[in-house]
Order: sequence, then C-alpha cells, then structure tokens
Amino acid sequence: GAGVSQSPRYKVTKRGQDVTLRCDPISSHATLYWYQQALGQGPEFLTYFNYEAQPDKSGLPSDRFSAERPEGSISTLTIQRTEQRDSAMYRCASSFRGPGGELFFGEGSRLTVL
Amino acid sequence: SQQGEEDPQALSIQEGENATMNCSYKTSINNLQWYRQNSGRGLVHLILIRSNEREKHSGRLRVTLDTSKKSSSLLITASRAADTASYFCATNTGNQFYFGTGTSLTVIP
Repeated sequence: GAGVSQSPRYKVTKRGQDVTLRCDPISSHATLYWYQQALGQGPEFLTYFNYEAQPDKSGLPSDRFSAERPEGSISTLTIQRTEQRDSAMYRCASSFRGPGGELFFGEGSRLTVL
Repeated sequence: SQQGEEDPQALSIQEGENATMNCSYKTSINNLQWYRQNSGRGLVHLILIRSNEREKHSGRLRVTLDTSKKSSSLLITASRAADTASYFCATNTGNQFYFGTGTSLTVIP
C-alpha cells in the first residue's frame, strides 16, 4: 500500500478480553516494528520482524502480548486478558532498508481497556 | 525503557525565531534520527545522522551529533506555525530504535 495502515483506529474493550490489532506495512518493506506509546511519552519498543522472522521480542511487557507476521507482510499484535494498564496507543512502523533505516509509521491503534 | 531524553520538555517561540532541542542518550549507536509528531498523529521522519557524521542539514533543519558526549541537537531555523509539534530523537542500536521522551514545540504566529 501507499502507507502503513493500522486497524482498528480505536478499540474499547473490557478488562479480561482479548484484542488483536493489525498492521499493513508498505508493501516493499521487509522490516516491521511495533511500539507502545503512552500519552505524552515517546514510543516504547515492543518487537520487530524481518520478513516473517521475529528476531527480537524483548520489549513485549508480558506473555499476554504476542505478535505474528506469518507471510512477511501483514502483522498482528494480540493482547490476551487485557488489563487497564494496557491502555495506550499502539504504533506500527515499517522500514525498507531493514534495521537502522528510516521508519514509516502508521496512524496507530488507540486501545482503551475499561 | 527509553534510551534518549530530550531537553527541553517544552519550548514556546515566536514565528521566525529559531528552535533548538537537545537529545542525550546512553549507549553506542549506529545512527540517530529525529521524528516529528503532530497532535497524536503518526511520527514522521525528519533526518538521520550516522555515528561517523558530526553535522547534517536538510532544508531548515540542522542536526549535530557528538558521540563523545552522547548527545545530539536539532535546530529548526525561521520557525513557522506549522512547525508546532512534538519532536523525538530515536537512537538506532543494532536492530532496535529507542525513542526519547520528546520536546513539545509551540510556534506562536
């Protein structure tokens, strides 16, 4: 696609429910990143993919968080048994040049856990 | 945890003035990048400076990097109201990018 697309833009869920966020990166981009951004803060690294491989998931805050990119294009971030502290903006970014290159960000998915 | 810290946290200037914001970081880097974010929107890449570079220009932007002090500065010259946004530095270390806490810039028309 022309840019990085994320869906849904807004998600409100009840504590304990599972949520899945989707990221469709720029089609030629091999590398895809997930970030969590709290209000007034900078993005915090969660995980990244190089095609379908996931070399680093050290930023995932707990085992309730998981991400996939099975065909090396679209990626999903799943949060199981959501908690109120998971409320944040979740941002996806992709990069053509791989690690170290310029990041192109989507508009983000704002998650609110009640 | 975030790698970089921007200073100041907030900056308010008159249109036409220059704006300078600083970024400090903690470990060795491959490169450092600056991004702009308008009011909760997605971040937009502004400029990249490699660890072996000391200064770089792009339009009204000037970035410096001092690896011995682990710091960088972003200068926006002749600011415009449209420059109002949050600015983040991002350090690239290996395969990861670490973002700072951001500087909120307000340019008053």
